[in-house]
Amino acid sequence: KNQVEQSPQSLIILEGKNCTLQCNYTVSPFSNLRWYKQDTGRGPVSLTIMTFSENTKSNGRYTATLDADTKQSSLHITASQLSDSASYICVVSATYGDMRFGAGTRLTVKP
Amino acid sequence: EAQVTQNPRYLITVTGKKLTVTCSQNMNHEYMSWYRQDPGLGLRQIYYSMNVEVTDKGDVPEGYKVSRKEKRNFPLILESPSPNQTSLYFCASRHTNTGELFFGEGSRLTVL
Repeated sequence: KNQVEQSPQSLIILEGKNCTLQCNYTVSPFSNLRWYKQDTGRGPVSLTIMTFSENTKSNGRYTATLDADTKQSSLHITASQLSDSASYICVVSATYGDMRFGAGTRLTVKP
Repeated sequence: EAQVTQNPRYLITVTGKKLTVTCSQNMNHEYMSWYRQDPGLGLRQIYYSMNVEVTDKGDVPEGYKVSRKEKRNFPLILESPSPNQTSLYFCASRHTNTGELFFGEGSRLTVL
């Protein structure tokens, strides 16, 4: 059964600190993995996409990694800002089009 | 501006009173879908549409209907709403080449 699990469920950090969010999946056959950011009360917005051949990809202070062998991805946020407070959702797609959503990690950045 | 527009954004209704949540996209995407989001459960797919006149059930379709008569519109219909359909609903369209989902701003529905 295709599944996506994210950890931690929630996280509180101080402004300026780094953090790492985890995503484990069993989706097969794997096509790609996307991280979305969802601000409170808004729709999710894509941050980055990882395909099978990519190990690391950066988007500003966000760096995503993918280990296709262990079926794990991480999203690392550097020098966090108050505006990083949001839910981060991992979405994994299979080659035949099925998409599976993680339940998300709720990040709170405190001043 | 490329966008997905949902209406209404907020709605309070009573059990059994039919309602429709509209969704429109201006990106000419073929694929559109509806999700509900509940605390601790994340986004769950209700229905999706691969193209005009082609719709299919997602993971939680019970109590919902959809139609896709035009490429840009994909309304969600609750024929007889019940309190367990109180939720935050999102419509999305998907870019054909990149697979990126573009979400609307959400519709918060309360059924009393």
